[in-house]
Amino acid sequence: GEDVEQSLFLSVREGDSSVINCTYTDSSSTYLYWYKQEPGAGLQLLTYIFSNMDMKQDQRLTVLLNKKDKHLSLRIADTQTGDSAIYFCAPPRGRNNAGNMLTFGGGTRLMVKP
Amino acid sequence: DSGVTQTPKHLITATGQRVTLRCSPRSGDLSVYWYQQSLDQGLQFLIQYYNGEERAKGNILERFSAQQFPDLHSELNLSSLELGDSALYFCASSVAPPGLASNLYNEQFFGPGTRLTVL
Repeated sequence: GEDVEQSLFLSVREGDSSVINCTYTDSSSTYLYWYKQEPGAGLQLLTYIFSNMDMKQDQRLTVLLNKKDKHLSLRIADTQTGDSAIYFCAPPRGRNNAGNMLTFGGGTRLMVKP
Repeated sequence: DSGVTQTPKHLITATGQRVTLRCSPRSGDLSVYWYQQSLDQGLQFLIQYYNGEERAKGNILERFSAQQFPDLHSELNLSSLELGDSALYFCASSVAPPGLASNLYNEQFFGPGTRLTVL
């Protein structure tokens, strides 16, 4: 999406940490989401962060939010081969919009090598 | 399993044809969203319905239309198909109503998608 930018590809070795970055332009979102798309499947919510937080940790996942720079990151610790997927960051559209659809970044394809 | 179902799973058709994609949201979800995922355009929002009414439009072509029925299932109609319409079409549903937009936590549950191939 034109308002959300992500790098296209990330390759890591099993056991390493992965960091997926996202920058966005619309800063009015209260919640910012990370979705995961496994091969041949639809998207599913992985985690989210509330906009007044700087960090959220959820088991192997750490989300960092820098509101000033409009930068969101997802860190996966001890990356496993099962983490291989496409990861999308998704801040919703602004509150002036009557809907609450998600604006997705282009997605980062994470490849985990054994 | 997200609870959102989409049919058909695959669809192969020819240019100029018309197809209908169907989506059944999770039980209790009133909002339905349609997204298109293609290699060159990424994942793009098309349209949203809430309780039978259109509530938001994204990058949806005039050749495309959608509706949500009283039982809350939704259909996406694609007509005068072109090669470039080949893509994965996802439906998602959520419980949060539109209008309050990004102030509410709004997890969207995605269906498995319909892969459309236009030859």
